[in-house]
Amino acid sequence: QKEVEQNSGPLSVPEGAIASLNCTYSDRGSQSFFWYRQYSGKSPELIMSIYSNGDKEDGRFTAQLNKASQYVSLLIRDSQPSDSATYLCAVNPRVDSWGKFQFGAGTQVVVTP
Amino acid sequence: EAGVVQSPRYKIIEKKQPVAFWCNPISGHNTLYWYRQNLGQGPELLIRYENEEAVDDSQLPKDRFSAERLKGVDSTLKIQPAELGDSAVYLCASSPPNAGKYEQYFGPGTRLTVT
Repeated sequence: QKEVEQNSGPLSVPEGAIASLNCTYSDRGSQSFFWYRQYSGKSPELIMSIYSNGDKEDGRFTAQLNKASQYVSLLIRDSQPSDSATYLCAVNPRVDSWGKFQFGAGTQVVVTP
Repeated sequence: EAGVVQSPRYKIIEKKQPVAFWCNPISGHNTLYWYRQNLGQGPELLIRYENEEAVDDSQLPKDRFSAERLKGVDSTLKIQPAELGDSAVYLCASSPPNAGKYEQYFGPGTRLTVT
């Protein structure tokens, strides 16, 4: 079992709709959770971080964390063609492994006009 | 604020040759990471530095890979000798001294092709 799992996609989303991305992780003691956006041929760009259960909103992005169920999700509202990219989920595991990030393989999002 | 700088951006070498990658983190960032990313995969951590100390190198193939971070700023990752399977993008990232947060900022990467 991979430590961080994401659906590979592609997730096709009409322009203006909501894109919903999910990520599950295996280490119950994980502490910090991040979403990165990666355009083709570019490096990952941090878009959201979340550390406690619940929702965190930043512009059109909302991250949701449920530690009991071991999943973290990302919602992209009013999706734009510029949101077409691969979205990577990253997990920073338990306190005794600070900084030993685990990345998922990413979900490709395609926003269609 | 300048971002993470990496060089070279692209490198093509023949197998068994050595290669080195250089990284300059964001000013003030004491944590530095080297990752390898294969096509269609997420980044895989190779080594993490806290200042000049390598605190996690468990994923670094030590028979051929080496890294250093002199004076706790710039870092160099070396492969000697390179193998065909080393073809990948090598990413450097840095994090500010914000305990428990570890938000990482990535450089543009070096795309290595081993022929």
